[in-house]
Amino acid sequence: DAMVIQNPRYQVTQFGKPVTLSCSQTLNHNVMYWYQQKSSQAPKLLFHYYDKDFNNEADTPDNFQSRRPNTSFCFLDIRSPGLGDAAMYLCATSRDRGTEQFFGPGTRLTVL
Amino acid sequence: DAKTTQPTSMDCAEGRAANLPCNHSTISGNEYVYWYRQIHSQGPQYIIHGLKNNETNEMASLIITEDRKSSTLILPHATLRDTAVYYCIVRETGTASKLTFGTGTRLQVTL
Repeated sequence: DAMVIQNPRYQVTQFGKPVTLSCSQTLNHNVMYWYQQKSSQAPKLLFHYYDKDFNNEADTPDNFQSRRPNTSFCFLDIRSPGLGDAAMYLCATSRDRGTEQFFGPGTRLTVL
Repeated sequence: DAKTTQPTSMDCAEGRAANLPCNHSTISGNEYVYWYRQIHSQGPQYIIHGLKNNETNEMASLIITEDRKSSTLILPHATLRDTAVYYCIVRETGTASKLTFGTGTRLQVTL
């Protein structure tokens, strides 16, 4: 089945130690998104790629970066994780801007 | 994107219809109403969307009032697996990409 895959499902890192989260998709969608969801809160968009075009949300901290080396893969890099970055990170895809978004299962990040 | 208002929580007996309301009084003419749900510890799942006509798919029905200021998501025969947070989102299609999630409604389906 076509799907959005996130690895790992659970990630533990140390305060200040860079970490990378991965997302892949078999849907061949043009758009890939990264959302942050903190405990008991709604998901919040960090940024998205439309093909190779990167679109950052205005309030996304510089500590968060992203790479999309090809259509299928997208990475979220957190350069110096703080305790406040502990959250579920959700990857989503859509065929085009404004169409339905399909979400992966998420990666739960713990910062020690 | 227009703001939405939903009840914080609702209960529904298994097998009964679950009717989840959403107010979006500032919706503009080119904005659609989308519904997603998030089952505990999973990513959000698309349910349905509509502009002004009522819509139905295999998961649910969406009823939008004639003035488009409110809508209702209907799960016709709720099961325990429908227990989730349901998000009503208003957004433009086309160039817009952002899904702005509100607080949602926590639906608890009980035996």
